[in-house]
Amino acid sequence: QSALTQPASVSGSPGQSITISCTGTSSDVGSYNLVSWYQQYPGKVPKLLIYEVSKWPSGVSDRFSGSKSGNTASLTISGLQAEDEADYYCCSYAGSSTRFVFGTGTKVTVL
Amino acid sequence: QVQLQESGPGLVKPSETLSLTCTVSGGSISTYYWSWIRQPPGKGLEWIGYINYSGSSYYNPSLKSRVTISVDTSKNQFSLKVSSVTAADTAVYYCARMGTYGYAMDVWGQGTTVTVSS
Repeated sequence: QSALTQPASVSGSPGQSITISCTGTSSDVGSYNLVSWYQQYPGKVPKLLIYEVSKWPSGVSDRFSGSKSGNTASLTISGLQAEDEADYYCCSYAGSSTRFVFGTGTKVTVL
Repeated sequence: QVQLQESGPGLVKPSETLSLTCTVSGGSISTYYWSWIRQPPGKGLEWIGYINYSGSSYYNPSLKSRVTISVDTSKNQFSLKVSSVTAADTAVYYCARMGTYGYAMDVWGQGTTVTVSS
């Protein structure tokens, strides 16, 4: 099972919106609405941002939103802020044999 | 507030077995699912496996032959063993909880660095 494909980097100016894609296959992202997204600052612990494609855990800003189309899930950050500069990872359930697969990760830079 | 804390040796010799424990505090381990994830230096996250309180475990197929995850409900702990380690197993190892939000990992330990070297 290969890692889900994410762009290595995405950048934007403060206040803008950016979108990070997470491309899988019909065996993972395309088959299950079980995609989650995580934010990780350098040297820090990952933090859950989105679960089940588009749901927010308690306490997470609604500037982060998730969606899915076919085999590709997306995370949109609206009103980009300097504090959003971090690495972002998607993760999908991939069936009873593989269970879970993470994305390759995307570094977000705020210009 | 549930907290997780990984513990174990920071240095393991090649071909030996890596053993880590995750202690759950502030809540019972007898619910939810409990995962291990690792992150090699400068690289992305890799899911290793997870277990539930009754001991049913599931592993990453690429690691399945070398990984064992177990649970000790009496100590509120779960553990990871990776056998026949090589330098490629050098990573920060995280334990995490799943189940509050479906299969998403909502509570993570601080992570522990394991280096495989002679």
